[in-house]
Formats: sequence, C-alpha cells, structure tokens
Amino acid sequence: GESVGLHLPTLSVQEGDNSIINCAYSNSASDYFIWYKQESGKGPQFIIDIRSNMDKRQGQRVTVLLNKTVKHLSLQIAATQPGDSAVYFCAEYTNAGKSTFGDGTTLTVKP
Amino acid sequence: EAGVAQSPRYKIIEKRQSVAFWCNPISGHATLYWYQQILGQGPKLLIQFQNNGVVDDSQLPKDRFSAERLKGVDSTLKIQPAKLEDSAVYLCASSGQGSSYNSPLHFGNGTRLTVT
Repeated sequence: GESVGLHLPTLSVQEGDNSIINCAYSNSASDYFIWYKQESGKGPQFIIDIRSNMDKRQGQRVTVLLNKTVKHLSLQIAATQPGDSAVYFCAEYTNAGKSTFGDGTTLTVKP
Repeated sequence: EAGVAQSPRYKIIEKRQSVAFWCNPISGHATLYWYQQILGQGPKLLIQFQNNGVVDDSQLPKDRFSAERLKGVDSTLKIQPAKLEDSAVYLCASSGQGSSYNSPLHFGNGTRLTVT
C-alpha cells in the first residue's frame, strides 16, 4: 500500500548546527503535507505545513521543502537547539481527506 | 486556549478485559480523531468524527473497538475484549475547520495502554 516514509530513523547533530530531516511519499494524490514534532510522553505538535502548489515555506527557524517530481519532503531546522530533540513525523493528506503518517525520525541534539 | 484533554493517562489491563478512553477536544472544534500509535511507529487513524457523525472508520477494528461522540463534543473509545497487540498510545486530536485537509490537528497527550 502507499505510505509516507522517512529516509533515516535517527539523526544526531551538534547544538548550533542545521538539521535536515527527510521524508519520501508515494501517494501522487497527496497535496497537503504537515510536519509534526513529538516529545516523549506528549502528542504530536504542529510545526509547519505546505500545500502542493508551493515548493518552499518558511517559519521561525524551520523551512519545509517540497519536491513533487521525486515525491520528497524535507524539514530544515536552523541553529538546532537541545529543545529540538524529539521525534519528527511527516504526514500527507489527500483532498479526499485521507491522511498517512510516516514512522518518524528521532532527532538528538548533542551539547 | 485549553488543549485537547485525555484520560486516563495510563492504563494496564489483562487481555480479554475491557477498557475505555475519554477525550475532550478544543472548544468549538467540530472534527475529532482517534489515533493508535504503536511504539516506534507513526500514528494510525482509527476513526474520524465530524460533529457527532462518523466520517471515516475504515481502519477501526469494529469487532472489538467502538467509539462514540454523542453530543458532538466529548468522545469515548472502547476496546472489548483487549488483545496483547492493542498495547499502544491512543491519541485524540481535534481540528476546527472541517477536516485535517484544511487545518492541522491539535493532539492530546494520549493514553498509554498496556495489555498483559
């Protein structure tokens, strides 16, 4: 079946460096994407979203890039901080209301 | 604004027993979701309500799982009887603009269920 997948289950970066978390999707009907952050013992928290008519969207310290040609999504975190340590999920949505979460990337920030 | 409230926070039961989880969404949010998150995996949608009507329950194991949202506000999710593979975190989420297609979900902190 079609699903959202992340390239790396874990990512370790040094505090202050930039982080890039990748996600591959396979459902060509998906046209809305969200990145969520999940800290231990908590529910997922919205970070940033992007629609398929855009290639890039920026937030505070975060940027999402969408490459529809290769069905790839990435989350860039600038100047990564210890508080950014968490599991990051991408989720894809179709206009029929179907949503799928990937299995997540665990980001660890080393001081 | 107050977030999505869930209870209990933790629950341990034996297989074949029954269990119920409660969710209170953000005030005014018409859409409510129940997700199952198995350790190490992303959340999987079990059921989606729009007000008190079911929009999508295609992945709900209906032989043992049931959910209701009688007054279009609070919701309960029940498992009867529980199996070992039901051990997971059960997340409730709500959104305010009709569906997750239009707006991000707001999640509660979940109920961690352990079935022994």
